[in-house]
Amino acid sequence: AQSVSQHNHHVILSEAASLELGCNYSYGGTVNLFWYVQYPGQHLQLLLKYFSGDPLVKGIKGFEAEFIKSKFSFNLRKPSVQWSDTAEYFCAVNAQGGGFKTIFGAGTRLFVKA
Amino acid sequence: NAGVTQTPKFRILKIGQSMTLQCTQDMNHNYMYWYRQDPGMGLKLIYYSVGAGITDKGEVPNGYNVSRSTTEDFPLRLELAAPSQTSVYFCASSLSQEQYFGPGTRLTVT
Repeated sequence: AQSVSQHNHHVILSEAASLELGCNYSYGGTVNLFWYVQYPGQHLQLLLKYFSGDPLVKGIKGFEAEFIKSKFSFNLRKPSVQWSDTAEYFCAVNAQGGGFKTIFGAGTRLFVKA
Repeated sequence: NAGVTQTPKFRILKIGQSMTLQCTQDMNHNYMYWYRQDPGMGLKLIYYSVGAGITDKGEVPNGYNVSRSTTEDFPLRLELAAPSQTSVYFCASSLSQEQYFGPGTRLTVT
């Protein structure tokens, strides 16, 4: 069965610090990968996605993620976080050709100190 | 477009009561989903639908039912509420892989 692991449940950073949130998945086939973000009091929204091509993908608000197939990983990065990045971040996976059922990780709560 | 809307925003139920969580999308998406979000557990898929008249179980369907009579609406029914169903419920829709989420319904069963 597919699963998604996010290594950190809570992360606290100061503004301007660099961010890396880990995500590993278990699935042997070809996958689509996503990072969703949930800002306080708001809907979940898509941050970025990877389907194929360049394994380094860029999303909104300066976020990027790198797909490393050999490591089954899709880590999220941002060089310099802002207070407004305080949110919960979810990594998600679905199997290409396996319909649209998406498996979500447990989420990482990021708190950025001003 | 309003996107995905959910009602109610909050609800408190007594054990054994029933209720329906409403979900409507105006994007003409074929795919719709219901998730529950529990602290530290991420989102778990309850039910999903690939089009009007077609629904299927997700990871945690027990205690819930759904119907999809139109493309726009995908209500979630709790028949006999239990404390284990205390959670935040999200409805989502998609045309392809990217899902669009509603604002959620916070349900407490006491």
